[in-house]
Amino acid sequence: SAVISQKPSRDICQRGTSLTIQCQVDSQVTMMFWYRQQPGQSLTLIATANQGSEATYESGFVIDKFPISRPNLTFSTLTVSNMSPEDSSIYLCSVEGDVNTEAFFGQGTRLTVV
Amino acid sequence: AQSVTQLGSHVSVSEGALVLLRCNYSSSVPPYLFWYVQYPNQGLQLLLKYTSAATLVKGINGFEAEFKKSETSFHLTKPSAHMSDAAEYFCAVSSPSFQKLVFGTGTRLLVSP
Repeated sequence: SAVISQKPSRDICQRGTSLTIQCQVDSQVTMMFWYRQQPGQSLTLIATANQGSEATYESGFVIDKFPISRPNLTFSTLTVSNMSPEDSSIYLCSVEGDVNTEAFFGQGTRLTVV
Repeated sequence: AQSVTQLGSHVSVSEGALVLLRCNYSSSVPPYLFWYVQYPNQGLQLLLKYTSAATLVKGINGFEAEFKKSETSFHLTKPSAHMSDAAEYFCAVSSPSFQKLVFGTGTRLLVSP
């Protein structure tokens, strides 16, 4: 299994500012995924990040709002830009398992925008 | 396109009673199916997965699920609930190429003494 560390674990931010969330994995992985979990709701995939290529965004999510970096096979960042209260959510990083049949998740970043 | 439907946003059981959490899926290709559990203020932990091998899948903490293609279902069961089972449970589906997971809306399991 993969061990995933996310930073920060939580933050309270002012509207209009940006927050960058870091995701560090203890092994090299091809694909990393970023999910959003809005209060009381399920997880929604924001984008898939492969090392060395542009992230692939799901419908309803755009690069200007959620820029992603993937500089190497163990690290990725997600930035939530120009935040509004509607961005208050838990953001989770996820990676594929070794045999490509499961996903492992970080503890998540609980973001509150005021 | 793939989707998952979880019936019941909340399920309440007594300690020692049977746990049954329902999940139905829709997929145009043979699916991989998963159950994850989320404890308060924590990330998701994989309970079990179906990846086209045995249709009855056993997971951690005494949970199991049965893949029924004819019913497009993957319900999660546990014979006897413990207080520590109280959490949010998510069913998810992916394709064998595993490009991404599509999650259900989740079921909160409440266990009373």
